[in-house]
Amino acid sequence: KQEVTQIPAALSVPEGENLVLNCSFTDSAIYNLQWFRQDPGKGLTSLLLIQSSQREQTSGRLNASLDKSSGRSTLYIAASQPGDSATYLCAVRLDSGYALNFGKGTSLLVTP
Amino acid sequence: DTGVSQDPRHKITKRGQNVTFRCDPISEHNRLYWYRQTLGQGPEFLTYFQNEAQLEKSRLLSDRFSAERPKGSFSTLEIQRTEQGDSAMYLCASSSGQALRFVETQYFGPGTRLLVL
Repeated sequence: KQEVTQIPAALSVPEGENLVLNCSFTDSAIYNLQWFRQDPGKGLTSLLLIQSSQREQTSGRLNASLDKSSGRSTLYIAASQPGDSATYLCAVRLDSGYALNFGKGTSLLVTP
Repeated sequence: DTGVSQDPRHKITKRGQNVTFRCDPISEHNRLYWYRQTLGQGPEFLTYFQNEAQLEKSRLLSDRFSAERPKGSFSTLEIQRTEQGDSAMYLCASSSGQALRFVETQYFGPGTRLLVL
């Protein structure tokens, strides 16, 4: 069973700081990895998807990297803003199926 | 593209009652997924449909749970004889079968929050 772990569980930073969220997974036979954002009581918004053959993806102030062999991904957020406050979830799809396997998320608070 | 919609958004029921949730995927998305999320946890996969065929089911989907997608468009998730442990957010997602699988993004709906008293 694919285990996905996200560290830290919670993070509080002042506005303007750059930050890194970490995701690790136990089964390296992945097809892709997605990062999502979830606001309290809401559904999930897809941020970035990295194919298993890729090393990184960028969208605006977000950059996600993937090291499949070591079972790690990072989400880098540059110049954080209060509007970035949310829970960030990492999800891995295995080679063998369509289900996404999620971590528990990192709860981010960016203070003005 | 109006996004994935779910109905109802909130449901309160008494233990032992049956409940049914509906999901309308993004139009022309032929893949549809159900997930369940409890407080402080990431979503857990329940089941997957390709068109009207249910191709994957999690062990989490007990006999009290049944999902259908009769015409390959909207889907329903029914929980029979609800238990307090069923209280959770039920999330639906859809994706396009036209995309290459490894770049296929799942788009999530707002969820249905269930509270079993």
